[in-house]
Amino acid sequence: QKEVEQNSGPLSVPEGAIASLNCTYSDRGSQSFFWYRQYSGKSPELIMFIYSNGDKEDGRFTAQLNKASQYVSLLIRDSQPSDSATYLCAVPRYNFNKFYFGSGTKLNVKP
Amino acid sequence: DVKVTQSSRYLVKRTGEKVFLECVQDMDHENMFWYRQDPGLGLRLIYFSYDVKMKEKGDIPEGYSVSREKKERFSLILESASTNQTSMYLCASRGDGGYEQYFGPGTRLTVT
Repeated sequence: QKEVEQNSGPLSVPEGAIASLNCTYSDRGSQSFFWYRQYSGKSPELIMFIYSNGDKEDGRFTAQLNKASQYVSLLIRDSQPSDSATYLCAVPRYNFNKFYFGSGTKLNVKP
Repeated sequence: DVKVTQSSRYLVKRTGEKVFLECVQDMDHENMFWYRQDPGLGLRLIYFSYDVKMKEKGDIPEGYSVSREKKERFSLILESASTNQTSMYLCASRGDGGYEQYFGPGTRLTVT
């Protein structure tokens, strides 16, 4: 079983819609969760992290964590074509020296 | 501004060659990482280093070695390149007390 699993997509949403990206993890002891965005041909960049059950909001982005069900979600409100990218979910281990990454979900936002 | 650089964006090598991938960071970070990224498999950790001359194996170290002689530089070595090492290689760094890894632009290596 993979540590972190994501649907590879692509997920297509129209401009202005809410995009919902999901991630499940296998280790019930995981404490924090990270979302990276990776544009085509570019390197990943951190957009959000969450460590408490519930929601965390940052601008148009909301991360949701449900530890009981072992999933974490990223919602993007008012999606823009510039949000088109692959979104990677990651779970750290060993004092943030090991990150297990999901394979990523490709998001297409259509104008 | 945070900066991680990698020596090459694209590299083509032949099977059996020794390959060096270089990574330099200018943030005085203690921790440095090498990943490879393959379609459908995501990023997988090859090696990391938490201090000069210190290294730890990641999840897929076979066929690779690393060197960290200076704090700012972390090298990945493919002792004898093979076609299954064709991949995108990403270097990252992280400062102690922080959680964010900063990635370099990546090196796309093709082994023929």
